[in-house]
Amino acid sequence: EVQLLESGGGLVQPGGSLRLSCAASGFTFTSYAMSWVRQAPGKGLEWVSAISYSGDSTYYADSVKGRFTISRDNSKNTLYLLMISLRAEDTAVYYCANFWSGYLDTYFDSWGQGTLVTVSS
Amino acid sequence: EIVMTQSPATLSVSPGERATLSCRASQSVSSNLVWYQQKPGQAPRLLIYGASTRATGIPARFSGSGSGTEFTLTISSLQSEDFAVYYCQQYNNWPPYTFGQGTKLEIK
Repeated sequence: EVQLLESGGGLVQPGGSLRLSCAASGFTFTSYAMSWVRQAPGKGLEWVSAISYSGDSTYYADSVKGRFTISRDNSKNTLYLLMISLRAEDTAVYYCANFWSGYLDTYFDSWGQGTLVTVSS
Repeated sequence: EIVMTQSPATLSVSPGERATLSCRASQSVSSNLVWYQQKPGQAPRLLIYGASTRATGIPARFSGSGSGTEFTLTISSLQSEDFAVYYCQQYNNWPPYTFGQGTKLEIK
């Protein structure tokens, strides 16, 4: 069974930083592209970032480009999202998800339960 | 960037009736479209991929159709557990992967 477990969320002040983690199990993590998707309170889904199975290729939404960095440690089956210069509009539940069959040109198959990031003073 | 537009924003339907949800893309996405279901406090769940193929374990009352720019999700006979928010998402032109704003399916 695929499991994706996010952690690292919490309350942070505007301008602050946070690193999210997503521990993966139940599939061959090293063969799968991964992604972060967020959902602001009461709002819809917004894609944030994606990374290839090797980590060589990364992609970002314009809203986070230059502030967020996606990475992965395939030896630990873990996906990360480093967020700096956080803004109030980054407040959201952050989900990690894997791509179906591992490829970036597909859709999000399995999702974690999410971790809440609140940016507020 | 491809903009996905869902309609209606809210759909009120009685249990046992049919629900039809629409999704429109600002340019062709071929059949590279998925539908997700999301219940309060839960992560999205994949329902349909490739515009019309049900994901593993999804009941046959869920069906998807369309290609190009116009897509439809139909739930043939609504069960109580189907009342949720539904999102479409394209994966034809990325990044970004873009979602519709969602349709809330509520009990009439």
